[in-house]
Amino acid sequence: DAGVTQSPTHLIKTRGQQVTLRCSPKSGHDTVSWYQQALGQGPQFIFQYYEEEERQRGNFPDRFSGHQFPNYSSELNVNALLLGDSALYLCASSQWVVNEQYFGPGTRLTVT
Amino acid sequence: AQSVTQPDIHITVSEGASLELRCNYSYGATPYLFWYVQSPGQGLQLLLKYFSGDTLVQGIKGFEAEFKRSQSSFNLRKPSVHWSDAAEYFCAVGRLFKTIFGAGTRLFVKA
Repeated sequence: DAGVTQSPTHLIKTRGQQVTLRCSPKSGHDTVSWYQQALGQGPQFIFQYYEEEERQRGNFPDRFSGHQFPNYSSELNVNALLLGDSALYLCASSQWVVNEQYFGPGTRLTVT
Repeated sequence: AQSVTQPDIHITVSEGASLELRCNYSYGATPYLFWYVQSPGQGLQLLLKYFSGDTLVQGIKGFEAEFKRSQSSFNLRKPSVHWSDAAEYFCAVGRLFKTIFGAGTRLFVKA
């Protein structure tokens, strides 16, 4: 049983560009949450998707958007990249209203 | 405001010695509490969780944590640390929609 998978593993982008990160949840899970983890800090909640809708959002600008597909996989899109967007982006999956998340290995985004 | 505080940025423990990592939280309602471990370059692995009931919870890898409502604390303990326990540990609090993480405590284990 595959756990949470994320792609790509690493990514280098230039300021102003746009990026898309992908996540496949653990089998049996229908809810996906995204987190940003800057170097030396704890993960910060970006948003959560369930039934293809954004259900809750953290304190992140509209440049951060997402999508969930019918197979429960999800994408995180970031527009107009800033240097400060450089971080490890973690995807976590769970079952709806079950408070136990499984995290993927993350995508390391570097903005130059 | 909801928050999680891990007072120790890093801790060094000798192999075989006991360990306690501190966590304090601020939350309006009865929280769900978690401890995660993160090895370098890896995602987070759940060590244990507290939802309700017995305030002493057992987790994986020999870890345990005790919920103290009066102190708003959820400290992580291990009686005997192994070199493989060296990692970053995160305390988290959440309910339903989102989880708030502390800044983490880096554990170093010396031989």
